[in-house]
Amino acid sequence: SQQGEEDPQALSIQEGENATMNCSYKTSINNLQWYRQNSGRGLVHLILIRSNEREKHSGRLRVTLDTSKKSSSLLITASRAADTASYFCATDAVSGGNNDMRFGAGTRLTVKP
Amino acid sequence: ETGVTQSPTHLIKTRGQQVTLRCSSQSGHNTVSWYQQALGQGPQFIFQYYREEENGRGNFPPRFSGLQFPNYSSELNVNALELDDSALYLCASFREPSSFEAFFGQGTRLTVV
Repeated sequence: SQQGEEDPQALSIQEGENATMNCSYKTSINNLQWYRQNSGRGLVHLILIRSNEREKHSGRLRVTLDTSKKSSSLLITASRAADTASYFCATDAVSGGNNDMRFGAGTRLTVKP
Repeated sequence: ETGVTQSPTHLIKTRGQQVTLRCSSQSGHNTVSWYQQALGQGPQFIFQYYREEENGRGNFPPRFSGLQFPNYSSELNVNALELDDSALYLCASFREPSSFEAFFGQGTRLTVV
């Protein structure tokens, strides 16, 4: 079963604008990760945030985590056409330890040139 | 691009047949997970292998089975194929079971007709 739910399901913006995607999850976690997938190909790891962290940056990416609300957001600043892809959040349960990562259904981002 | 390779890239099978998908892990990684991704959905965890043994399983029937070899390459076998098995199958390698960053292959697109 899927643990995370991304919101919105689809997002269309102009190049240069910022894109914000949200992820909500159900059970307590150790870590939350964001991955990117270009049209039906493999997923690429973007960023990992641990349960004791609240915010993390990597280049044009900013991730926040609110464990009290069981939610995370991914902000892509100054978007480019090459950012067009699907973005997934993935969580691992505290009771896990076998890397049973659970993915949401993803947000499909389209950046228009 | 990650160092994870999957073969074949595309495959068409008939309902009731059996299929074997292959994955070569990133160098230095001893843990591999397999995921099924239906169109428009996020990846669903099938199982994980560590040191040639199954190390966790998702909600998939026994006709989904796997192998991991001493060189850490792995196989996913699916028996008695059903139409609903049509999906993108992804393998992801991890440095070890306690690491969380997954390195994905490009996937095998399986179509069951």
